[in-house]
Amino acid sequence: NAGVTQTPKFQVLKTGQSMTLQCAQDMNHEYMSWYRQDPGMGLRLIHYSVGAGITDQGEVPNGYNVSRSTTEDFPLRLLSAAPSQTSVYFCASREGDRFYGYTFGSGTRLTVV
Amino acid sequence: AQSVTQLDSQVPVFEEAPVELRCNYSSSVSVYLFWYVQYPNQGLQLLLKYLSGSTLVKGINGFEAEFNKSQTSFHLRKPSVHISDTAEYFCAVVQGGSEKLVFGKGTKLTVNP
Repeated sequence: NAGVTQTPKFQVLKTGQSMTLQCAQDMNHEYMSWYRQDPGMGLRLIHYSVGAGITDQGEVPNGYNVSRSTTEDFPLRLLSAAPSQTSVYFCASREGDRFYGYTFGSGTRLTVV
Repeated sequence: AQSVTQLDSQVPVFEEAPVELRCNYSSSVSVYLFWYVQYPNQGLQLLLKYLSGSTLVKGINGFEAEFNKSQTSFHLRKPSVHISDTAEYFCAVVQGGSEKLVFGKGTKLTVNP
């Protein structure tokens, strides 16, 4: 099992560009989430999904879109990148029965210039 | 809304000394509590979790934590630390029935020889 796979690992964008951060899991987990990590801020929830076709907003959703067409994939889209979106992004997934805790990917380090 | 306070942003200790990393959360009827560890340039790894039952929870790498409902605390302890325990530690809480895992801002543990 690969677990939670995030691509790319590093990305530099210019202000105003768009891009999609990819997240895939092979554990058949129902629940998936996106977090951003900023120095001194911990991790903050951007969007989450409780199953294919169902998504909802977290604490900091502005500037990001998500969709969940399959159980395995949960991409995060930046429509028009801004320097404030420079961060490390983590995708996570968990089983559906009980809240045993999320399994995290290794992250995508995004810099917007 | 849930909140998590990690009382120390940095904790330096000597090798083989005991350590306690403190975590307090805002009160709620039903919560699940977690400690995650992040080694440099890596994702988050689950150390331990409290879902219900015994208030003393044992995790990986010799860590343990105690859930104290009256003090709304979930402090992490290790009786004897190693150089390899140098990392950032995050306390997280989720309210039962919610997907919104809320993280503290992290505590950087540095173990010195």
